[in-house]
Amino acid sequence: DAGITQSPRHKVTETGTPVTLRCHQTENHRYMYWYRQDPGHGLRLIHYSYGVKDTDKGEVSDGYSVSRSKTEDFLLTLESATSSQTSVYFCAISEGAGTGAYEQYFGPGTRLTVT
Amino acid sequence: GESVGLHLPTLSVQEGDNSIINCAYSNSASDYFIWYKQESGKGPQFIIDIRSNMDKRQGQRVTVLLNKTVKHLSLQIAATQPGDSAVYFCAENEYGGATNKLIFGTGTLLAVQP
Repeated sequence: DAGITQSPRHKVTETGTPVTLRCHQTENHRYMYWYRQDPGHGLRLIHYSYGVKDTDKGEVSDGYSVSRSKTEDFLLTLESATSSQTSVYFCAISEGAGTGAYEQYFGPGTRLTVT
Repeated sequence: GESVGLHLPTLSVQEGDNSIINCAYSNSASDYFIWYKQESGKGPQFIIDIRSNMDKRQGQRVTVLLNKTVKHLSLQIAATQPGDSAVYFCAENEYGGATNKLIFGTGTLLAVQP
């Protein structure tokens, strides 16, 4: 998985609780992304980062926040989890367009269930 | 848990046959395309990419064809094997790469029959 780990791999939490998912890379890639994957929707971008402390929203960012204090770590936080956030979450990394490398490499995913 | 493969178009092929998976993209400004493979319970895996200045690109047992006139992309897998069973989806770069983001299709489930 191109030097990408996600933790935890599985989590069950209750509605209203905060949850933080972690993505860690060893590739020193500039770009990092958080996606959610749901049946019938494919991969949808939540937030992405184009450098340390530089982040931007994706198409489904409501209810999520992110932080990137180091190149290798990108955190996704659900401030108050809801059942609609039950999903599989994937982190991805990319060198960036400036290098001509648009391809993204994905982590193994985190399955989150909100009860 | 529910599989990402549910509700997807399915292509069923016999082991040893060639498979062709199709994808229509939306943005004529896109200049970069990727195919991913996703096995059950795993993250998407990069297969092959192609830039818009090419019509065809070959990898190991896979070929990607790009038809910019009709905004169509296809992935051909030669001599399909049981290990090829997975969901395959294409992606295009958003706004010709200005945002460094990819737009993903919903995918096709390839089922290889022994």
